[in-house]
Amino acid sequence: GAVVSQHPSRVICKSGTSVKIECRSLDFQATTMFWYRQFPKQSLMLMATSNEGSKATYEQGVEKDKFLINHASLTLSTLTVTSAHPEDSSFYICSALNPGRGEQYFGPGTRLTVT
Amino acid sequence: GENVEQHPSTLSVQEGDSAVIKCTYSDSASNYFPWYKQELGKRPQLIIDIRSNVGEKKDQRIAVTLNKTAKHFSLHITETQPEDSAVYFCAASLISGSARQLTFGSGTQLTVLP
Repeated sequence: GAVVSQHPSRVICKSGTSVKIECRSLDFQATTMFWYRQFPKQSLMLMATSNEGSKATYEQGVEKDKFLINHASLTLSTLTVTSAHPEDSSFYICSALNPGRGEQYFGPGTRLTVT
Repeated sequence: GENVEQHPSTLSVQEGDSAVIKCTYSDSASNYFPWYKQELGKRPQLIIDIRSNVGEKKDQRIAVTLNKTAKHFSLHITETQPEDSAVYFCAASLISGSARQLTFGSGTQLTVLP
């Protein structure tokens, strides 16, 4: 399958600080990437759809000013968690849509812990 | 929007037995149904998918069936092995245009007992 990388894999930050997570599609161009959040023992919840060259589309209940998404190129999307709080601690996973095949491929995830 | 329900939430089987996980979806327009396997702390891995123009697809020990009329699809794992133990998620999507959002089921924790 296609390769999607995500960085960092783990991050610990203090309340009030911002954290940036990068998602890259390594062997195909992804015009669309998705950002998910997963709490322990729960399913993946879509946060937003990131489209290259345009504004992200956020799901209901997700604050766009808190979770900033930038999709500056066909292989890179970033999620910035601004003014992080302990309740933002979670597993954040991106996925990239392979337009040629229609499948989504997931990054390895980023474990965010806010202290 | 789409709503996907998945059952059971946990499933334990003896090694060598079969495991079946079932999902239902609400949007009759959905036409793409992937299944993902997720091991603890790792990314979901696509294991098999089916599109609405077929009723069944098989890949070695894994098969998926789709009943469009009833709006349900199932994952079948035969001859289970301990390494099949993981959380399995079904999903549904409408492949139309460029954005193909997946709606996930709640997941099934499969445990294969040696």
